[in-house]
Amino acid sequence: DIQMTQSPSSLSASVGDRVTITCRASQSIRSYLNWYQQKPGKAPKLLIYAGSSLQSGVSSRFSGSGSGTDFTLTISSLQPEDFATYYCQQSYSTPKYTFGQGTKLEIK
Amino acid sequence: EVQLVEFGGGVVRPGGSLRLSCAASGFTFEDYGMSWVRQAPGKGLEWVSGINWNGGSTGYADSVKGRLTISRDNAKNCLYLQMNSLRAGDTALYHCARAGSSSSFAFDIWGQGTMVTVSS
Repeated sequence: DIQMTQSPSSLSASVGDRVTITCRASQSIRSYLNWYQQKPGKAPKLLIYAGSSLQSGVSSRFSGSGSGTDFTLTISSLQPEDFATYYCQQSYSTPKYTFGQGTKLEIK
Repeated sequence: EVQLVEFGGGVVRPGGSLRLSCAASGFTFEDYGMSWVRQAPGKGLEWVSGINWNGGSTGYADSVKGRLTISRDNAKNCLYLQMNSLRAGDTALYHCARAGSSSSFAFDIWGQGTMVTVSS
């Protein structure tokens, strides 16, 4: 089974900061890597799919990069509404999937 | 409106069974793979089970293999999760999610979830 490792597990940042979250797969998943944002009490929201494709309606502050085993999610200039938990997910082995353990982004 | 609505959750004793359902509307259900994802209180997302568009291919997390069974009825636009031999560790909010080939099988639509509590 494919394992996904996210880092860091938590992160403190300020409004306006540029933030990067990383995700590593235990084997090559080509570009089958997706990023989600989850706020408390809400269902997750798809931000990025296929490694770098921005989901419709998502702010261009969010960008994704990487292929193979190493991926990053970057938020270019943090806004108050961006403080949330972020998850990566591999969809290479559909219909079997794996999520990373999550990165909680908090206000400094 | 594209929508997924889960129901069937509740409180069940260890060893018991429950059947979750997910009603889809606003899109052509048979065009999409579907999955169940759970989240225990205060914990991260855990993918549980997935099924392709026609039910011909399924997958399970190791933690649920042999106890949970995913299925779908495309005529009824419905996804199911039969849960047997439930354990305390299965306590979680269960979401269904849609996976489309056009989005690299990412989960672009999620339901709000149904809560399953396993307790004596």
